[in-house]
Amino acid sequence: QSVLTQPPSASGTPGQRVTISCSGSSSNIGSNYVYWYQQLPGTAPKLLIYRNNQRPSGVPDRFSGSKSGTSASLAISGLRSEDEADYYCAAWDDSRYVFGTGTKVTVL
Amino acid sequence: EVQLVESGGGLVQPGGSLRLSCAASGFTFSSYWMSWVRQAPGKGLEWVANIKQDGSEKYYVDSVKGRFTISRDNAKNSLYLQMNSLRAEDTAVYYCARAYSNDYWGQGTLVTVSS
Repeated sequence: QSVLTQPPSASGTPGQRVTISCSGSSSNIGSNYVYWYQQLPGTAPKLLIYRNNQRPSGVPDRFSGSKSGTSASLAISGLRSEDEADYYCAAWDDSRYVFGTGTKVTVL
Repeated sequence: EVQLVESGGGLVQPGGSLRLSCAASGFTFSSYWMSWVRQAPGKGLEWVANIKQDGSEKYYVDSVKGRFTISRDNAKNSLYLQMNSLRAEDTAVYYCARAYSNDYWGQGTLVTVSS
């Protein structure tokens, strides 16, 4: 059972900005870094954001992360067709690693 | 280039056992925590277990405690997941990932528990 709550879906037209929320608690997001993963259809997850707002090398700056209290957000600006995927937030919770429920982003 | 390659998945009957392996290359394996993460068909990601660099600390999701064992062999750059008393709800693609950030993932190996 996922501990972090995300909206099941989000959508936008090409070029728009889409934001995905991730709600947790004081034991996970409230006291630890947040990570975001992108999972394209039929592939393994890929790290998109680490330490709340840092992008690994190769991740476009269209993707940005933020955190406030026990919630976090992923923003995708300048939405592109290749951004259509499932997105998961995650955080450490004591010695467990907890994932969000996942959000499917559709590009209309 | 960091590479993680899982193997050992397959079809197993309920109550049976399976051992998954993950071969790591392209980084100093002994310097990293490692994780197993699974994804049931059509479902989200679920962290299963992780293990410290020297194997001295291991943590598990509650649903697999007492049934699954994570281990590693730093000399062979390999990570393992011994799965016993398998249940239908363990059916999933199992990924190994390089912790702490789970920044690199393997391609996954499918485990199907069915009679």
